[in-house]
Amino acid sequence: GNSVTQMEGPVTLSEEAFLTINCTYTATGYPSLFWYVQYPGEGLQLLLKATKADDKGSNKGFEATYRKETTSFHLEKGSVQVSDSAVYFCALPNDYKLSFGAGTTVTVRA
Amino acid sequence: KAGVTQTPRYLIKTRGQQVTLSCSPISGHRSVSWYQQTPGQGLQFLFEYFSETQRNKGNFPGRFSGRQFSNSRSEMNVSTLELGDSALYLCASSLHTDTQYFGPGTRLTVL
Repeated sequence: GNSVTQMEGPVTLSEEAFLTINCTYTATGYPSLFWYVQYPGEGLQLLLKATKADDKGSNKGFEATYRKETTSFHLEKGSVQVSDSAVYFCALPNDYKLSFGAGTTVTVRA
Repeated sequence: KAGVTQTPRYLIKTRGQQVTLSCSPISGHRSVSWYQQTPGQGLQFLFEYFSETQRNKGNFPGRFSGRQFSNSRSEMNVSTLELGDSALYLCASSLHTDTQYFGPGTRLTVL
């Protein structure tokens, strides 16, 4: 079945630093790809998605491009803030469910 | 539109008891999925319902069960609770695409 492999953390950054979290996928065809974010004590929030190859999803300064050549969907943000401290999950659909990566914990220091 | 709601938000139970968790999807969404999140195992899929039919089930023992009602609300039940069932239980709903929207979760602690 479809699966994702995600760079594991933790990742610690200073404010205004560049963030990248790697995600690669294995899939039949070209399914939609997602990034979810989980803030402390909360559920998962959809951060961004891409529905086909070469699509770029973006939201709140985060971006990710669906690259079929490298089967990747890396998450990037140019200048992180303390409020971006959270756990980030890469995901893709797989037989009526989402398959998630292990999650990457990001801590941004002021 | 209101988001996915889950009740209760927190639960404390003792081993051997049973528990029922509730999930109300976003209005119009007919698919509801359940996931268990633990520090050791990460996010694990429990089951998915669409129009009252279970379409997929994860690899969990029979103590875990669920159902969906005609109004798309869903419940999951865990019988004979074990310490290892302590987790955050997340419900998600979707319309007819792959995009799932999650609720805040129910934090279950088994003592």
